[in-house]
Amino acid sequence: GPKVLQIPSHQIIDMGQMVTLNCDPVSNHLYFYWYKQILGQQMEFLVNFYNGKVMEKSKLFKDQFSVERPDGSYFTLKIQPTALEDSAVYFCASSRDINQAPLFGEGTRLSVL
Amino acid sequence: GDSVTQTEGPVTLSEGTSLTVNCSYETKQYPTLFWYVQYPGEGPQLLFKVPKANEKGSSRGFEATYNKEATSFHLQKASVQESDSAVYYCALSDLDNNRIFFGDGTQLVVKP
Repeated sequence: GPKVLQIPSHQIIDMGQMVTLNCDPVSNHLYFYWYKQILGQQMEFLVNFYNGKVMEKSKLFKDQFSVERPDGSYFTLKIQPTALEDSAVYFCASSRDINQAPLFGEGTRLSVL
Repeated sequence: GDSVTQTEGPVTLSEGTSLTVNCSYETKQYPTLFWYVQYPGEGPQLLFKVPKANEKGSSRGFEATYNKEATSFHLQKASVQESDSAVYYCALSDLDNNRIFFGDGTQLVVKP
């Protein structure tokens, strides 16, 4: 079946560096999401994206965060600069419409040292 | 704002026993309701969704009924297996904000 692919699966970077997490959503999906999950804790909404724009972002979506999907390619989450508390697993999800259950990727584990 | 409240975990059961994970929600709209399951090291995956009140969703022996009057969507399974050990998330669609709102998740541990 269709899959949401996240690249890389694990990223290790030094605090203060920039990182870009990549998501390859399902081809005919229109809504895109990022969620953050700290180890052992619940999944928390960061941001959603539709028609080239951020629709809603949570308080966790700090000024250092940005998302884009240039020319229908990867849906990316950029963090610049990174902080220690950004260490978590970041899940990308996509759906065709708002009432369709989002399909999640396997996540990217980000370790900020 | 929206809220989803689930049974606090971990819930520990023996194989073959019955499961109920409570889910209550608050929202101004008439949402679609979802149950997701997350196995260790994986992303959440949809168990099932129910778009309409008074309807039931089911998958892999799990089921839940969309109860609009009680604003509940409790997950049940008659006989759990060790392979059901995972975290279960109740969620609703938030049409105003174009997102899916997740509860805190309930960890289920099934012992042989």
